[in-house]
Amino acid sequence: QKEVEQNSGPLSVPEGAIASLNCTYSDRGSQSFFWYRQYSGKSPELIMSIYSNGDKEDGRFTAQLNKASQYVSLLIRDSQPSDSATYLCAVRGAYGGSQGNLIFGKGTKLSVKP
Amino acid sequence: KAGVTQTPRYLIKTRGQQVTLSCSPISGHRSVSWYQQTPGQGLQFLFEYFSETQRNKGNFPGRFSGRQFSNSRSEMNVSTLELGDSALYLCASSKALDYTESEQFFGPGTRLTVL
Repeated sequence: QKEVEQNSGPLSVPEGAIASLNCTYSDRGSQSFFWYRQYSGKSPELIMSIYSNGDKEDGRFTAQLNKASQYVSLLIRDSQPSDSATYLCAVRGAYGGSQGNLIFGKGTKLSVKP
Repeated sequence: KAGVTQTPRYLIKTRGQQVTLSCSPISGHRSVSWYQQTPGQGLQFLFEYFSETQRNKGNFPGRFSGRQFSNSRSEMNVSTLELGDSALYLCASSKALDYTESEQFFGPGTRLTVL
């Protein structure tokens, strides 16, 4: 059973701080990784995708990938109260019955305090 | 560009009934995936359709089925509803022919309540 693990939180950071969200995955062959943001009562919104080892930056968001350690993270700089949401890590399965599927972690709830 | 649309947004059914949910992908997207989201299990993959063919299937019972039409619109059907089927059903579309760098974009979801 392919798994994606996230700390459920809640993760609480003050406004303006850096929020660090982490995710580990079990499928060593996975090549595609995604971060989604989900506000309460809404559907997930794609905020970052990453396919290669290293960092990928988009505005205040930086995704980091380390395939050897099977670890992907999301940094949110200058956190704002509007960033308060659940962040879902998704990994595309590489082999067997999971091939092609997006496998989601259960999400980390982030709370940014003004 | 219009996003993914799902209808209906809310449904209330009773046990034993069946339900059909509809999804229209982003224009130009040929892949449609369906997910079930519950507080306990999180987001779980149901199935994916590409060019009217089921390309991938998750670990759900046969009561859950789907199809895709030539215009890429998709429907999913749940027969003999159970209380545990109460969930948010999400549809996501993507455009890539292969999986390598295929981003999925979600619709607003259909909230199904089974009484």
